[in-house]
Amino acid sequence: KNQVEQSPQSLIILEGKNCTLQCNYTVSPFSNLRWYKQDTGRGPVSLTIMTFSENTKSNGRYTATLDADTKQSSLHITASQLSDSASYICVVSADSSASKIIFGSGTRLSIRP
Amino acid sequence: NAGVTQTPKFQVLKTGQSMTLQCAQDMNHEYMSWYRQDPGMGLRLIHYSVGAGITDQGEVPNGYNVSRSTTEDFPLRLLSAAPSQTSVYFCASRRPSQGERGGEQYFGPGTRLTVT
Repeated sequence: KNQVEQSPQSLIILEGKNCTLQCNYTVSPFSNLRWYKQDTGRGPVSLTIMTFSENTKSNGRYTATLDADTKQSSLHITASQLSDSASYICVVSADSSASKIIFGSGTRLSIRP
Repeated sequence: NAGVTQTPKFQVLKTGQSMTLQCAQDMNHEYMSWYRQDPGMGLRLIHYSVGAGITDQGEVPNGYNVSRSTTEDFPLRLLSAAPSQTSVYFCASRRPSQGERGGEQYFGPGTRLTVT
């Protein structure tokens, strides 16, 4: 069964600290993996995309890594800011079909001043 | 561009009532999808469309209908609302995939629906 599991479910850190969010998947075949950021009361917004041949991708203070062999991805946030408080969702596409996109349940990140 | 717009933002229904959630996009995207988001679960696909006049079922289609008469609009109809349909509904659109990079999905702001 195609699944995407994220950990931790929630995380609280102090402003300025770094953190890493985890994503494990069992989706096959694999097309790409995206990380989305979802602010409270808003729709998700794409942060990064990685294909099978890419093992790291950065977007400002966000760095995503992918290990296609172990089917694991991580999202590292550097020097966290209050605006980073949001849910982060790992999304894996099995193919180009609109129906083969599997969402993780997300990690709820709270940044404290 | 307004992107993906959804109306209403909030809605309360009584069991058995019907209603339509509106979704529109101005990016000329061929693919549009409806998802529901429930606490502790990932977004689940309800229905999707790969172009005007073409729709298909997703993972959780029961109790919902869709139509796609134009590229821009993709309404979701609840036929007879049930408490189990209390959720946040997101509409998304994207271009067809181009190779392995796949089309980035653009989401609307969501509709929070409560069925009592």
